[in-house]
Amino acid sequence: DIQMTQSPASLSASLEEIVTITCKASQGIDDYLSWYQQKPGKSPQLLIYDATSLADGVPSRFSGSRSGTQYSLKISRPQVDDSGIYYCLQSYSTPYTFGAGTKLELK
Amino acid sequence: EVLLQQSGAELVRPGSSVKISCKASGYTFTDYYMHWVKQRPEQGLVWIGRINPANGNTVYAEKFKSKATLTADKSSNTAYMQLSSLTSEDTATYFCTRIGDWGQGVMVTVSS
Repeated sequence: DIQMTQSPASLSASLEEIVTITCKASQGIDDYLSWYQQKPGKSPQLLIYDATSLADGVPSRFSGSRSGTQYSLKISRPQVDDSGIYYCLQSYSTPYTFGAGTKLELK
Repeated sequence: EVLLQQSGAELVRPGSSVKISCKASGYTFTDYYMHWVKQRPEQGLVWIGRINPANGNTVYAEKFKSKATLTADKSSNTAYMQLSSLTSEDTATYFCTRIGDWGQGVMVTVSS
């Protein structure tokens, strides 16, 4: 199984910062990587797919990138509404695997 | 608009089974795999498996092979997941998803 190592587990950021969350795959996944935001009691919402493509309706302050087998989600000048838990998902091979999640708090 | 409408919350007894549904609309049901994901309270997301609604072919994560059974009814555009031999470890919210679009989740509580 492909392991997705996500970091950090939590972070607190100000509205002026650039927030970066990373997921490192245990092997190559050919950019079959998506990012999700989940708020309490809600379903995950797709932010980024195919590592770098912005999902419909997602603000442009969200972006995705890759360096080797490490994938990153960047939030530029986050808003208070961006608080929540963020997950990565590899869909390169079954079983699909999620990262453990990053809890983002905006201060 | 793609919509995945899941069935309501379930309270079930240990040792029993439960079948939850996911009705799809807004797209061609047979064109996309339907995946199922488990989330225990205050925990992360775990992929259970997927079904190809066009032919019924399924793939399961190893730990769910004897726990979950995925089916799909093309006539009603509905996917189902049956969970068997339920224990407290199965208390969780279960989502159906096309990966991009998600159902609202079904809370399954296993309690005597």
